[in-house]
Amino acid sequence: TQLLEQSPQFLSIQEGENLTVYCNSSSVFSSLQWYRQEPGEGPVLLVTVVTGGEVKKLKRLTFQFGDARKDSSLHITAAQPGDTGLYLCADNSGGYQKVTFGIGTKLQVIP
Amino acid sequence: GAVVSQHPSRVICKSGTSVKIECRSLDFQATTMFWYRQFPKKSLMLMATSNEGSKATYEQGVEKDKFLINHASLTLSTLTVTSAHPEDSSFYICSARVDTRSSYNEQFFGPGTRLTVL
Repeated sequence: TQLLEQSPQFLSIQEGENLTVYCNSSSVFSSLQWYRQEPGEGPVLLVTVVTGGEVKKLKRLTFQFGDARKDSSLHITAAQPGDTGLYLCADNSGGYQKVTFGIGTKLQVIP
Repeated sequence: GAVVSQHPSRVICKSGTSVKIECRSLDFQATTMFWYRQFPKKSLMLMATSNEGSKATYEQGVEKDKFLINHASLTLSTLTVTSAHPEDSSFYICSARVDTRSSYNEQFFGPGTRLTVL
């Protein structure tokens, strides 16, 4: 079973600041997904990365997959209060199509 | 597309009673659905994989007789928490994998059900 570590666990920043959160694994991902979850809601898929070195952009969010496919980062430019939430990385390398989630980074953007 | 609903969104019940939670894929078919549990300030823990027309596959440590799963159609899976106790209080989330999508096991999540057992 993949062990996913996310850092930092908590992050509180001012509106307009940039930030980066990280996801690291003990072994190689076949593919990695990033989700955002708001309180009392289910996670919403943001992106799936597959190829080592891959970079994907979603408006102000930039996702990078490490060359060795064992780590990933999410960079947010000019954070806004609407970015507040729990950011989860997930690996779906498990059998029976199981997805394993990291513990998440809880982001708070203060207006 | 790929919308998943859950019902109810919140439920409060007395200890010893049973509670049924429904998970529906609204605009797609899902042979496989998943049930997760999330404790406060914790990540999602997979409880079981629900397969249409067959028995669910439970994760280690999850009691099959306590958490009954039924996946009777391609758009509906139900989780029944039997003889609920206060320690079963949690946020239960289901997800569904879109059958026709080929890419990377993407799952779509329901909004969750908050269960409180008194």
